[in-house]
Amino acid sequence: EDQVTQSPEALRLQEGESSSLNCSYTVSGLRGLFWYRQDPGKGPEFLFTLYSAGEEKEKERLKATLTKKESFLHITAPKPEDSATYLCAVQATGTASKLTFGTGTRLQVTL
Amino acid sequence: NAGVTQTPKFRVLKTGQSMTLLCAQDMNHEYMYWYRQDPGMGLRLIHYSVGEGTTAKGEVPDGYNVSRLKKQNFLLGLESAAPSQTSVYFCASSGTSGSQETQYFGPGTRLLVL
Repeated sequence: EDQVTQSPEALRLQEGESSSLNCSYTVSGLRGLFWYRQDPGKGPEFLFTLYSAGEEKEKERLKATLTKKESFLHITAPKPEDSATYLCAVQATGTASKLTFGTGTRLQVTL
Repeated sequence: NAGVTQTPKFRVLKTGQSMTLLCAQDMNHEYMYWYRQDPGMGLRLIHYSVGEGTTAKGEVPDGYNVSRLKKQNFLLGLESAAPSQTSVYFCASSGTSGSQETQYFGPGTRLLVL
């Protein structure tokens, strides 16, 4: 059974204080690992897909990395508008693109 | 290009009532999905479809039915609502290969069953 565990559950940062979110996973065969951002009352918004160990992707203050067992979402010099819940999900091979999600990390960035 | 839309946005039902949630996508995606999101549980797959006229069970299908009569629409039905079905429901769609497999989500439907 595919499993995704995210940590921490919640994280409070001051503006400019960099940190990382962790996503540990077990999957029969990894087809892709996805990061989404979810704002309160909204649907998940796609951020990144990572396909193989060693791959990295960046978007503004966010950088996602992938190893064979976990992924990190690094947030550099965050701003209050980065406050959201960040979701990690894995897609296994041969599963019609189905995703298994973690429970998310709730990030709050204060001034 | 609206992406994925869901109706209604919010609904209150009494136990035993029925309702249908509608999902529509304008991205010509083959695959569509219904998830529920509950506090502390993450997003869980209810049913999905790999093409018009096809449906399949996900992780938590009991108490729900789905239909995909048109490629762009995916309906989720509750025949006899129960309080345990109080949740936020999200629809998503995706293509079938490579970068097209990214799932794009709708804004959600909040359902309260009394």
